[in-house]
Amino acid sequence: NAGVMQNPRHLVRRRGQEARLRCSPMKGHSHVYWYRQLPEEGLKFMVYLQKENIIDESGMPKERFSAEFPKEGPSILRIQQVVRGDSAAYFCASSLGQVDTGELFFGEGSRLTVL
Amino acid sequence: GQQVMQIPQYQHVQEGEDFTTYCNSSTTLSNIQWYKQRPGGHPVFLIQLVKSGEVKKQKRLTFQFGEAKKNSSLHITATQTTDVGTYFCAGRNSGTYKYIFGTGTRLKVLA
Repeated sequence: NAGVMQNPRHLVRRRGQEARLRCSPMKGHSHVYWYRQLPEEGLKFMVYLQKENIIDESGMPKERFSAEFPKEGPSILRIQQVVRGDSAAYFCASSLGQVDTGELFFGEGSRLTVL
Repeated sequence: GQQVMQIPQYQHVQEGEDFTTYCNSSTTLSNIQWYKQRPGGHPVFLIQLVKSGEVKKQKRLTFQFGEAKKNSSLHITATQTTDVGTYFCAGRNSGTYKYIFGTGTRLKVLA
């Protein structure tokens, strides 16, 4: 029974390149969250998605960042034209989507380093 | 916007001492969750509180949700070295799905 799978675990990009982070939720989960964590800091909400729908993207920067969760395949967080400030750990979490029992199951994270 | 603060930011205790972290939200919450993140690891769910004034226990851990549903606490009795990590609360407002994480409390336990 695989948990939330994120890849790549580590990604190095040069300024101006694109970063694509993937997240496969737990089996049976149709809701995905993305959070960003800077070293020694808390988790900042970015976006909440259901299959084929973005429900809440209030935490996403207006430019360069986008997220999707297609009908088939993993959720993808895409960062275009990366800058050094994008260096962080990006965590994906999935849930059953039942609000009253909305435990979030986190993946191990993707650590992005921008040179 | 909604803010969730935790105090203290850091806590060092001797093994066997008790530990408490406090969580305060700027808005009334529908429910609150607690997570533990080990150094270099990912957040792991501990518990969820829903009702005003609710108290839940897990072995040496006691969780409380305030009467006004704006604050919460986690108390660990007789800490052990395995308790090391950062403890986060995460609150959700009614009508939304997103969880806003607190600033976290990093616990170090000295053997």
